[in-house]
Amino acid sequence: QVHLVQSGAEVMRPGASVKVSCKASGYTFSSYAIHWMRQAPGQGLEWMGWINADNDNTRYSPKFQGRVTISRDTSAITGYMELSSLRSEDTAVYYCARGSCAGCWLVDYWGQGTLVTVSS
Amino acid sequence: EIVVTQSPGTLSLSPGERATFSCRASQTISSNHLAWYQQKPGQAPRLLIHGASSRATGIPDRFIGSGSGTDFTLTISRLEPEDFAMFYCQQYADSPITFGQGTRLEIK
Repeated sequence: QVHLVQSGAEVMRPGASVKVSCKASGYTFSSYAIHWMRQAPGQGLEWMGWINADNDNTRYSPKFQGRVTISRDTSAITGYMELSSLRSEDTAVYYCARGSCAGCWLVDYWGQGTLVTVSS
Repeated sequence: EIVVTQSPGTLSLSPGERATFSCRASQTISSNHLAWYQQKPGQAPRLLIHGASSRATGIPDRFIGSGSGTDFTLTISRLEPEDFAMFYCQQYADSPITFGQGTRLEIK
């Protein structure tokens, strides 16, 4: 059974960076991509970027390019998303999700979400 | 960027009725790389449909996806009480991946 378990809620100051983790189980982590999305309070879903499991290449939404870094540690079966220069508009639930194959953009299973609150 | 627009914003129906959700893209979605997700309050989204018309694992056959090109539809043939939620369409044909703004399905 596929499970993605994310790290706990964070409260951050404006200008800081946050790193959210996503630990996988129930499947071969090294064979599937990891995507990151976010959802601001009461709003819709927004794709941030992904990491290709075939070659560790990353691709980011232009909106977040330069502020987001997506990575993974196959030995720890964990994916990571770091967002820098935080501002109040970055307050949201951040989700990791599994790509349906190593290089797939379709996501099939999601983590439970991590609330990141940016406040002074 | 492919802009995805959903309609209506809210659908008010009763259990047993048929629900129809619309999703329109600003340009042709290649290979029908269009997915539908259901999200209940406080939960992560759940994949319902991929490839415009293929049900994900474990999804009941009352959920039906159709369409191609720029116009797509999700139909729930007969609503069950547990179906009431938010529904999002998503295109995964081109980067950046984009979602529609969602349709809320509420109990009438």
